[in-house]
Amino acid sequence: LAKTTQPISMDSYEGQEVNITCSHNNIATNDYITWYQQFPSQGPRFIIQGYKTKVTNEVASLFIPADRKSSTLSLPRVSLSDTAVYYCLVSGTYKYIFGTGTRLKVLA
Amino acid sequence: EAQVTQNPRYLITVTGKKLTVTCSQNMNHEYMSWYRQDPGLGLRQIYYSMNVEVTDKGDVPEGYKVSRKEKRNFPLILESPSPNQTSLYFCASSPGLAGGPYEQYFGPGTRLTVT
Repeated sequence: LAKTTQPISMDSYEGQEVNITCSHNNIATNDYITWYQQFPSQGPRFIIQGYKTKVTNEVASLFIPADRKSSTLSLPRVSLSDTAVYYCLVSGTYKYIFGTGTRLKVLA
Repeated sequence: EAQVTQNPRYLITVTGKKLTVTCSQNMNHEYMSWYRQDPGLGLRQIYYSMNVEVTDKGDVPEGYKVSRKEKRNFPLILESPSPNQTSLYFCASSPGLAGGPYEQYFGPGTRLTVT
């Protein structure tokens, strides 16, 4: 199973774009890359998922280079309510391995 | 409303006293899983189930048991809890197997304290 590595924490200001990069050097051919958001004392919530190139939805974009050894979650124009922990996850056959996540703090 | 429910939400117990944390989903999902979350360690998978009567170990299965007798329910059993099982537990479900384009839906969590 591919292990993921993310920065432990990041700070940003309201209105800025935030990019969080995840490294997954051992990703398998059939693996998908998924990002979750978690607020304190709540379960994680799905943000976005992709296999390759770029995926965009109403809240985020996911960039995956051709070698798929990393991925970047992009949050446009963050607000205070985006303060949370963000997890990059590489989906294995049946097991899921969450990393320790990136704690994003959005400042006013 | 589509959801994953867990009970109890909070539990304080003593070492060695058997307990069960229930998990139920109303989305007819095939895949269900249990995680524990500890400070600095992120979420770690305990057990998962691909369908009724089909379960397997995750990364940290020691000290836990599970069963999947019905599609909607996936209880987590601690036969003899110990203080190192004090943690925040999450149940999750997914419409398909891991490795595909399926998101997991998480329950609200159960905070367990073992003294």
